[in-house]
Amino acid sequence: EAQVTQNPRYLITVTGKKLTVTCSQNMNHEYMSWYRQDPGLGLRQIYYSMNVEVTDKGDVPEGYKVSRKEKRNFPLILESPSPNQTSLYFCASSSRTGARLTEAFFGQGTRLTVV
Amino acid sequence: SQQGEEDPQALSIQEGENATMNCSYKTSINNLQWYRQNSGRGLVHLILIRSNEREKHSGRLRVTLDTSKKSSSLLITASRAADTASYFCATEPRRAGNQFYFGTGTSLTVIP
Repeated sequence: EAQVTQNPRYLITVTGKKLTVTCSQNMNHEYMSWYRQDPGLGLRQIYYSMNVEVTDKGDVPEGYKVSRKEKRNFPLILESPSPNQTSLYFCASSSRTGARLTEAFFGQGTRLTVV
Repeated sequence: SQQGEEDPQALSIQEGENATMNCSYKTSINNLQWYRQNSGRGLVHLILIRSNEREKHSGRLRVTLDTSKKSSSLLITASRAADTASYFCATEPRRAGNQFYFGTGTSLTVIP
């Protein structure tokens, strides 16, 4: 079954304690991305990756890091989480047709609370 | 921001009625997509319409695209209680390709 898997689904952590949210896709997609979803603000892109070892900042990259060492995995790293990073996070992957993206497949989300 | 904007923010209708929601965006695009999100869950792709297309159908869904007005609409016909969800449009801008920009969503409630 084609899917994007995020872990964990729920996470409560304290300010400053480094954490990693994992994301894995089994569709051999080149393109992967991370979003955060906040009430009234919709989905905002944090980082995206066009392929292995290629990552770029989205609209709200501050306080986050990513890596793309393998095609299937795209972890999101919060080196020193702060309360304003409390949010619902989604990982997504897409294939490309030429220079254009096709439909995005989303993970089930990670609800992060930073206290 | 290149983020799109859906209208209305919330919509409540009776089962069997049609639901129409609109999306406006700011820049030229390669394509526009509509997604559905059940409460707190991941988004699910509904339909993609390319910039050179004006209308597309998929089951009970009908999407239109007017690039001159930079707007799109999603029509759900004969709505069902199971259609209750939030609906988002996402654009891939032509200038800044390789990124999706999502709107803020329309929350649809279908009353049985």
